[in-house]
Amino acid sequence: EAQVTQNPRYLITVTGKKLTVTCSQNMNHEYMSWYRQDPGLGLRQIYYSMNVEVTDKGDVPEGYKVSRKEKRNFPLILESPSPNQTSLYFCASRDRVLFTEAFFGQGTRLTVV
Amino acid sequence: GQQVMQIPQYQHVQEGEDFTTYCNSSTTLSNIQWYKQRPGGHPVFLIQLVKSGEVKKQKRLTFQFGEAKKNSSLHITATQTTDVGTYFCVGYDDSWGKLQFGAGTQVVVTP
Repeated sequence: EAQVTQNPRYLITVTGKKLTVTCSQNMNHEYMSWYRQDPGLGLRQIYYSMNVEVTDKGDVPEGYKVSRKEKRNFPLILESPSPNQTSLYFCASRDRVLFTEAFFGQGTRLTVV
Repeated sequence: GQQVMQIPQYQHVQEGEDFTTYCNSSTTLSNIQWYKQRPGGHPVFLIQLVKSGEVKKQKRLTFQFGEAKKNSSLHITATQTTDVGTYFCVGYDDSWGKLQFGAGTQVVVTP
């Protein structure tokens, strides 16, 4: 079954404590991306990756890091989380060459206190 | 900021009525996609439009891509409670090089 798996689904953490949200896809997609979703703002892209070892900033990259060491994995790292990073996060993947559908993970609801 | 504007932001619909949500871009789009996100869920792909003036139907859902490829609409007829959720359009412009999401239309259906 084609899927994008995010972990954890829910996370409550304290300001400044480093955390990583994992994302893995089993479709051999080259393109992966991270979004945050906030009420009234829709989905905003944080970072994206066109291929292994290739990453680029999206619209709201401040406070986030990513890495793409393997094709299937694209972790999102918050080195020093702050309360304004409290949000719902989605990882997505799609075929890079064809503008085909994006597959989304189940989402990670992060609360930073 | 977002280059794809979506209206309305909220839509309350009586069960059985029709409604339409619209997406408008300031630039010509290469393609546009529509997604649905159920409450508490993740976005799920509905359809993709590529050609100018293209119209596609999925049961009670009708999707249209404008002649100038700058706007798109989703029309739902005879709304059902299963239509509850947020509908997003996603535009792709070669000059952006990335997907651009509309803010979404949140649909609430009253039985």
